[in-house]
Amino acid sequence: KAGVTQTPRYLIKTRGQQVTLSCSPISGHRSVSWYQQTPGQGLQFLFEYFSETQRNKGNFPGRFSGRQFSNSRSEMNVSTLELGDSALYLCASSWGQGATGAQYFGPGTRLLVL
Amino acid sequence: AQRVTQPEKLLSVFKGAPVELKCNYSYSGSPELFWYVQYSRQRLQLLLRHISRESIKGFTADLNKGETSFHLKKPFAQEEDSAMYYCALSGKGAQKLVFGQGTRLTINP
Repeated sequence: KAGVTQTPRYLIKTRGQQVTLSCSPISGHRSVSWYQQTPGQGLQFLFEYFSETQRNKGNFPGRFSGRQFSNSRSEMNVSTLELGDSALYLCASSWGQGATGAQYFGPGTRLLVL
Repeated sequence: AQRVTQPEKLLSVFKGAPVELKCNYSYSGSPELFWYVQYSRQRLQLLLRHISRESIKGFTADLNKGETSFHLKKPFAQEEDSAMYYCALSGKGAQKLVFGQGTRLTINP
């Protein structure tokens, strides 16, 4: 099975712009979660989608949003970018039902905000 | 509040020596605990989870609810164990993972 894929892998934006990141989960996985990784804060949960519905949300401002499509692919959007949004954004997929199973992570999208 | 603490940012041991990576957690309820590992230039991947009670690559971890700990242990370290290790927890059945800050393990030859 192909692993979780994320596009683009690298992105440079300027303050005030907006950005959309994409994640394709492992085939058959219905849950997609997003995490932000920074040197200072570590890995922080952004949100989780299951069957096109946001099921969990982390403690991030409303500028961070996401969605999931019927094929389980997910996108996250960050509007009005700030310098502090520079981070590695990781997507993870899982079956999403029953006991918490393994989450399979993608390679990440590295975002630099100038 | 959910919190995971890994007190050691860096841990260095010699090949063949025992390894213990510490993890303490705070959670009101029944958590599910995990260890994730990231080898150099590879993705973050699940190493083991407490509900499976398994040993992966010689590593084991026991959930101690009294001490709210989930330490990762291996009796004899190998050079290929050098990596970044993250302890994480979730609520039962939830997909939201709360991660610790990670411990970088270096195995010296």
